[in-house]
Amino acid sequence: QKEVEQNSGPLSVPEGAIASLNCTYSDRGSQSFFWYRQYSGKSPELIMFIYSNGDKEDGRFTAQLNKASQYVSLLIRDSQPSDSATYLCAVTTESGANSKLTFGKGITLSVRP
Amino acid sequence: GAVVSQHPSRVICKSGTSVKIECRSLDFQATTMFWYRQFPKQSLMLMATSNEGSKATYEQGVEKDKFLINHASLTLSTLTVTSAHPEDSSFYICSALLGPWGGFGQPQHFGDGTRLSIL
Repeated sequence: QKEVEQNSGPLSVPEGAIASLNCTYSDRGSQSFFWYRQYSGKSPELIMFIYSNGDKEDGRFTAQLNKASQYVSLLIRDSQPSDSATYLCAVTTESGANSKLTFGKGITLSVRP
Repeated sequence: GAVVSQHPSRVICKSGTSVKIECRSLDFQATTMFWYRQFPKQSLMLMATSNEGSKATYEQGVEKDKFLINHASLTLSTLTVTSAHPEDSSFYICSALLGPWGGFGQPQHFGDGTRLSIL
């Protein structure tokens, strides 16, 4: 069974700090990796996606993928109180129209002013 | 701006009522949409994959006769919760694949969700 684990959390960091969110997955055939942000009572919002080993940067966000170790992480630099939310890691082993996502349980991040 | 519109945002109704939720893709054609359910403090659970012009594919444990899905056009999928009971109360969210894509798994874009409360 495909599993996506997000075991750390909740996470609390001071404003301006770097928040590091980790995720591991069980299926070695996983191809695509996504980070979604979900505010309380709202639906998920796509933050980052990554397909290849290494780092991918977008503004204050950096996604890191290590397929050999089967983990993907999200770094948030210069954390802001508005970053306080639940971050969901999602993985798919398929492409195109069959891209079903398997979600982790999420990590709740709190950024203290 | 939002690329997926979901309506209604909130429904409160009596037990035994059937409730229809609409999911529309805005300014693009979505051949595939997904329906999720999320209980408080839990992650999203995929209920079914909705394909335009064909029957939906349901995940194990999801009753297809209770959760009717219709994807009659390239921009609209509907989920009908038939004869809803209090245990069906949940946050229902749809998503759509925004294509075309380069062969890897496409990101899904989510609607705003529908909070269903059955009294």
